[in-house]
Amino acid sequence: GAVVSQHPSRVICKSGTSVKIECRSLDFQATTMFWYRQFPKQSLMLMATSNEGSKATYEQGVEKDKFLINHASLTLSTLTVTSAHPEDSSFYICSALRAVNEQFFGPGTRLTVL
Amino acid sequence: KNEVEQSPQNLTAQEGEFITINCSYSVGISALHWLQQHPGGGIVSLFMLSSGKKKHGRLIATINIQEKHSSLHITASHPRDSAVYICAVNPGGGADGLTFGKGTHLIIQP
Repeated sequence: GAVVSQHPSRVICKSGTSVKIECRSLDFQATTMFWYRQFPKQSLMLMATSNEGSKATYEQGVEKDKFLINHASLTLSTLTVTSAHPEDSSFYICSALRAVNEQFFGPGTRLTVL
Repeated sequence: KNEVEQSPQNLTAQEGEFITINCSYSVGISALHWLQQHPGGGIVSLFMLSSGKKKHGRLIATINIQEKHSSLHITASHPRDSAVYICAVNPGGGADGLTFGKGTHLIIQP
């Protein structure tokens, strides 16, 4: 199957700092990538759809000014959590769309905000 | 919005048992995915279904589009099958983000 990487895998930061998470499709080009979030004991939830060369589409309740998404190339999307707070602590996972109905997931990033 | 329900939420079984996990959804979809999530959080895609049945090793997935229902079966279960199994659906045209069920936490005891 196709390979999607995410970096970093784990990050601990202080409240008020910004954190950038990278999602890369290693062996295919992806005009569309997705960012999901999973709080403990809860299901994965779609945060936003990242489109190469255009603005991201955010789900209801997700603050676009807090979660900045940049999809600058066909193989890279970044999610920046700005002014992170403890309630942003979560597991963030991206996926890349290779074809219709074909999503490949990254390994995820566990963010802990102190 | 599509609601995705999985059952059971938790399942503990003995090695060798036949396992069934069920998933139902409320609105028409273009495809349904079965995913496996291990304790570290990483997700592996097991199946993508739009109709019928698929088999990969000891895993079998079926979907009934009319009844909006899918099942994941594991034959001859093994402790290494212990994981969270998640059902997720693609709405509409298949280029949208997924909607996930809450997952089934499976433990296979030796």
